[in-house]
Amino acid sequence: GENVEQHPSTLSVQEGDSAVIKCTYSDSASNYFPWYKQELGKGPQLIIDIRSNVGEKKDQRIAVTLNKTAKHFSLHITETQPEDSAVYFCAASKRGADKLIFGTGTRLQVFP
Amino acid sequence: NAGVTQTPKFQVLKTGQSMTLQCAQDMNHNSMYWYRQDPGMGLRLIYYSASEGTTDKGEVPNGYNVSRLNKREFSLRLESAAPSQTSVYFCATGQNSYEQYFGPGTRLTVT
Repeated sequence: GENVEQHPSTLSVQEGDSAVIKCTYSDSASNYFPWYKQELGKGPQLIIDIRSNVGEKKDQRIAVTLNKTAKHFSLHITETQPEDSAVYFCAASKRGADKLIFGTGTRLQVFP
Repeated sequence: NAGVTQTPKFQVLKTGQSMTLQCAQDMNHNSMYWYRQDPGMGLRLIYYSASEGTTDKGEVPNGYNVSRLNKREFSLRLESAAPSQTSVYFCATGQNSYEQYFGPGTRLTVT
């Protein structure tokens, strides 16, 4: 079955710096890759997603890139702010699948 | 439009007690999911329902049962709670195996 690996497990950056979180997937048929942000005490919230027919997608300070050949995708956060501190999860899915396969999460801390 | 709601928000049980966690959605999604998240851990799928009338086991189904009452509601039941079931439980809904939307969670402690 599909497996999604996520790195790093923790990431600390200075406010204003960039942060990058990477995920790899095993099933070449996967075609949907969402990213979730989980703030303390809350449920995960979808922040951006990408489908396999595009290589990059941006939304203000966040972007996701996809390399289908290498089977990996990444979340990029620029000009980080303290409110970006949270746990981030990547996931993968494919047409006809009943569920998302989640990575293990990355705890991002942004220091002022 | 409340999205995904879960009740209760907090619960403390004694070992052996039973309870049902409720989840309801107003997003008209076909699929619903139950996850558990232990401290410092990722999301583990307990059960899911791809459509009304169907349920399937996820990664960690032992000790749990589910009911898809109708399109809107999906409940998770613990028949005999154990300390190992202390966790935060999240319900989620989705459409066609793509976007999933999560509820606020139920924090369960079993003593």
